[in-house]
Amino acid sequence: DAKTTQPPSMDCAEGRAANLPCNHSTISGNEYVYWYRQIHSQGPQYIIHGLKNNETNEMASLIITEDRKSSTLILPHATLRDTAVYYCIVSPGNQFYFGTGTSLTVIP
Amino acid sequence: EAQVTQNPRYLITVTGKKLTVTCSQNMNHEYMSWYRQDPGLGLRQIYYSMNVEVTDKGDVPEGYKVSRKEKRNFPLILESPSPNQTSLYFCASSTQGSNDGYTFGSGTRLTVV
Repeated sequence: DAKTTQPPSMDCAEGRAANLPCNHSTISGNEYVYWYRQIHSQGPQYIIHGLKNNETNEMASLIITEDRKSSTLILPHATLRDTAVYYCIVSPGNQFYFGTGTSLTVIP
Repeated sequence: EAQVTQNPRYLITVTGKKLTVTCSQNMNHEYMSWYRQDPGLGLRQIYYSMNVEVTDKGDVPEGYKVSRKEKRNFPLILESPSPNQTSLYFCASSTQGSNDGYTFGSGTRLTVV
C-alpha cells in the first residue's frame, strides 16, 4: 500500500525552482525518504534520499520536516529535461513501493 | 560502467509461448527485483531476491517465476504468457543492507497477443 501522498501533476517554468511536496505521515523511525524520477518510459533514476536531515546533491535538495511527516524535493533551476514523473518513497532500504508519483512538466 | 542490463528491450509473443527476460548486474549487488509498470498503476513489484537461491513474492507474482542461481543474474520467466501480462518490465538491484537505493535497467516492453 502507498505510504506517501503526492499531487498527481505540477507545472514549473523553465529556470525557476520546482518544489515537489510529499506527505508521509506514517513513516517509521528506520525509514528513509527516497526520491526517484522516470523520464518517459526509461528506468527510474535515483535522485536523493534522507533520514531526517536536509540533503543536497548535484541534482536536487531534499527538505524533511522536523516531525518527518512530509518532505519537499527541490530542483533549483528546472530545465525542460527535468520533465518527468517524480516518485517519493519511504523505505528502510530494499523494499520500494512506487505509487503513481507526480508528473512534473517544465514549461518553456 | 555500473549497470543493470535487461534483454530483450522489446518482445512480441503469442499467448502460451514460454519466454524469459534476462537481467544482469555488474555491481556485485545482493538484492535484485522485478517490477512491472502499467498505465495508471505505477510500478508494482513482481518478485525480489535478497541473495543467491533466496527469492520471494512481491505484490503481483501470479503468472511469473524467477530464479537466482548466480549473484549477477535474475531472469524473469513467463511459463504461459497471457495478454494481461503485456506491460513494461524493469529489473533493479541494490546492495543488501544499504540505503543507497536501486539501480534500474532500461526496461523490457512485452506484448502478448
